[in-house]
Amino acid sequence: EAGVAQSPRYKIIEKRQSVAFWCNPISGHATLYWYQQILGQGPKLLIQFQNNGVVDDSQLPKDRFSAERLKGVDSTLKIQPAKLEDSAVYLCASSLDSWGRPGELFFGEGSRLTVL
Amino acid sequence: AQSVSQHNHHVILSEAASLELGCNYSYGGTVNLFWYVQYPGQHLQLLLKYFSGDPLVKGIKGFEAEFIKSKFSFNLRKPSVQWSDTAEYFCAVNVDSGYALNFGKGTSLLVTP
Repeated sequence: EAGVAQSPRYKIIEKRQSVAFWCNPISGHATLYWYQQILGQGPKLLIQFQNNGVVDDSQLPKDRFSAERLKGVDSTLKIQPAKLEDSAVYLCASSLDSWGRPGELFFGEGSRLTVL
Repeated sequence: AQSVSQHNHHVILSEAASLELGCNYSYGGTVNLFWYVQYPGQHLQLLLKYFSGDPLVKGIKGFEAEFIKSKFSFNLRKPSVQWSDTAEYFCAVNVDSGYALNFGKGTSLLVTP
């Protein structure tokens, strides 16, 4: 079974530039998550989708971050404009669970962003 | 505020030593508990999980964890570590009403030969 695919693996940009990350979850997984992992910290949820609807985006800095999952499959996370503190690994995860039943999250390898 | 605390940020052990990593959470009500591991250069993967039932759960690679509700704890244990256990370990929690995991800051484990 193919895992969660993410690209690019690495990205270096200057502050105020924009960047986009792509995620393709495991086939059939209804729920998709984007997490931000800053060095030395645990992953922090940015946004959670159930199919193509947003379940939780309370921790997404909406002035600069946006995410979409238009057809309920793959997803993109965009940062515009980037700040130095956005340097982190952006993790995509998916799970099979349907509403009301917690499930295991499967993670991709992450996209490492460095903002100079 | 809901939180997950991992007490040890860096642990160094010799091979064959016993391991216990602490995890405490501050949530009211029912919780689901997880331990994830991230080996160097690899993605996060599930070690074990607790949803209900027997509070002592066994995971992959000889790991186990015990849920103690009265202490709000879910400590990870392994009787004898190997060099290949060198990794970062994350405790995570979610509640019935939502699914996103709330992670602790992680514990970096180094096992020396």
